[in-house]
Amino acid sequence: GAVVSQHPSRVICKSGTSVKIECRSLDFQATTMFWYRQFPKQSLMLMATSNEGSKATYEQGVEKDKFLINHASLTLSTLTVTSAHPEDSSFYICSAEGGIAYEQYFGPGTRLTVT
Amino acid sequence: AQSVTQLDSQVPVFEEAPVELRCNYSSSVSVYLFWYVQYPNQGLQLLLKYLSGSTLVKGINGFEAEFNKSQTSFHLRKPSVHISDTAEYFCAVSGPNQGGKLIFGQGTELSVKP
Repeated sequence: GAVVSQHPSRVICKSGTSVKIECRSLDFQATTMFWYRQFPKQSLMLMATSNEGSKATYEQGVEKDKFLINHASLTLSTLTVTSAHPEDSSFYICSAEGGIAYEQYFGPGTRLTVT
Repeated sequence: AQSVTQLDSQVPVFEEAPVELRCNYSSSVSVYLFWYVQYPNQGLQLLLKYLSGSTLVKGINGFEAEFNKSQTSFHLRKPSVHISDTAEYFCAVSGPNQGGKLIFGQGTELSVKP
């Protein structure tokens, strides 16, 4: 149980285009979902927290107009990287919390490469 | 504010040897502590967590960690490692009223050699 999926696993896009990444909780309802960014050989940096049906809360320094987060249902959150640039290339990981308190279940990540 | 420091960026060890991955935290409030493992190009998997109660926490894959409040530490240990334990390990801290947010340490790369 407690499986989180992400789609796509890898995506390559041209500079200036937008990319949408989906995060789904497959067998539980996620009251809260989190989006992280991870650079090579580095730790995870929290980008934003999203609760179903409400606006996401962004961490300091994260551009909310560039990284659009939608949490339309208790099983789906999406991250859209708008007008992507090469510096947005990174590994994006989502996690979902639901059921067991203070336990986050992580997706497998999405590797974004902007050319 | 909360923070986490993992004291070793890389830990090489031979198979069947014991290992300790060190983690220190800083917090002015109550803490919840976690260890996660990340295999290459994958998400994170929870190894164990401390919320309250017994300071010795046992997790999956034979790992355990001890919460030491006086030393503000939460070191991860395994008495005998396997090749398959080779991965990146992250210590993380959260707490009540944090909205579930996790603050991660920098990670420790455990490399198990035959």
